Amino acid sequence: QKEVEQNSGPLSVPEGAIASLNCTYSDRGSQSFFWYRQYSGKSPELIMSIYSNGDKEDGRFTAQLNKASQYVSLLIRDSQPSDSATYLCAVTISGANSKLTFGKGITLSVRP
Amino acid sequence: EAGVTQSPTHLIKTRGQQATLRCSPISGHTSVYWYQQALGLGLQFLLWYDEGEERNRGNFPPRFSGRQFPNYSSELNVNALELEDSALYLCASSPTGRPNYGYTFGSGTRLTVV
Repeated sequence: QKEVEQNSGPLSVPEGAIASLNCTYSDRGSQSFFWYRQYSGKSPELIMSIYSNGDKEDGRFTAQLNKASQYVSLLIRDSQPSDSATYLCAVTISGANSKLTFGKGITLSVRP
Repeated sequence: EAGVTQSPTHLIKTRGQQATLRCSPISGHTSVYWYQQALGLGLQFLLWYDEGEERNRGNFPPRFSGRQFPNYSSELNVNALELEDSALYLCASSPTGRPNYGYTFGSGTRLTVV
């Protein structure tokens, strides 16, 4: 079983819509959860972190964490063409301190 | 504050040669992580250095090695290069003992093996 799984995508949404990106993880002891954005040819950039069950909002981005169901999601409201990128889910695996394990990512395309 | 810096930006090597990639972490960060991002394969964990010691190693052959210097900068060495080593190599840093901090990535080194 893969440690961090993301829907393979790609995901296409119209401008102004809500984009929903999902991620599941296998280690129940995972403690820290992150979303990175990676534009084509660039390095990943941290956009959200979440550690407790529930929602965390930052501007147009909302991260949601459900540890019982072992999933974490990212909602992007009022999607813009500039949001078109690959989004990577990352999780700290228990027992490995701060080492992050990444999902394969999902590519989001926002249509003007 | 300067970010994570990597050099060189691009590197072209011939199969069988050795490649050396370098990384300088953010000032105050003592942990350095190396990841390989091959086309279509996502980020694969290579190595983690902290306080000069190797803390963890991913599922890569021994020809991938590295070290961390007293100033916390790091070097990744890839010996006996193979065509499938062609990838973007990313370095990231974080403060020690702060797992909630996440990583800051450098801009990467694009290694091409011909």
